[in-house]
Amino acid sequence: GDSVTQMEGPVTLSEEAFLTINCTYTATGYPSLFWYVQYPGEGLQLLLKATKADDKGSNKGFEATYRKETTSFHLEKGSVQVSDSAVYFCALSGLNTGNQFYFGTGTSLTVIP
Amino acid sequence: KAGVTQTPRYLIKTRGQQVTLSCSPISGHRSVSWYQQTPGQGLQFLFEYFSETQRNKGNFPGRFSGRQFSNSRSEMNVSTLELGDSALYLCASSPEPGLNTGELFFGEGSRLTVL
Repeated sequence: GDSVTQMEGPVTLSEEAFLTINCTYTATGYPSLFWYVQYPGEGLQLLLKATKADDKGSNKGFEATYRKETTSFHLEKGSVQVSDSAVYFCALSGLNTGNQFYFGTGTSLTVIP
Repeated sequence: KAGVTQTPRYLIKTRGQQVTLSCSPISGHRSVSWYQQTPGQGLQFLFEYFSETQRNKGNFPGRFSGRQFSNSRSEMNVSTLELGDSALYLCASSPEPGLNTGELFFGEGSRLTVL
């Protein structure tokens, strides 16, 4: 069945460091891929998405490219800020599955000044 | 525009009891889905409702059930609570059932503790 595997945390980085959070997926067909973020005390919110192979999603300086050949959707940011401290979830939504999303287990990121 | 509202935010129950959680979606959103979030398992899909009909169901026992009302509000119920049901239960709404390109809008969740 469909599934998502993401890099386990926690991850601690200094401000302005480069961030990569790995995400790979298993799915039938061509899923859509998402990164959601959960800031402390808040609900999950969409960070970025990509709906077809080679698409790049981007938002708030974060980027992720849908790589079908490696079944990956790694999240990157060139220079993290303290305000980026949060839990990041990779997710996929397959064809004909409505709003049944498959989420990774989440990666906690702490950015220190 | 008000976001997804979940009530209650926190609750404590004992084993064997049952619980009902409520979710009010964003105005105009007709699809409501529920997820269970635990530290070890992450988010796991429970079920999705659209137009008062269950469209999809995850791999959870029959103790977990839900429904949707004509105003799109949804409730989920867990009967005969077990310790392992302790979790954050998240509700998410979207305008329509996914064409697999859609975005989910999440509430802040109902945190259930089973003693």
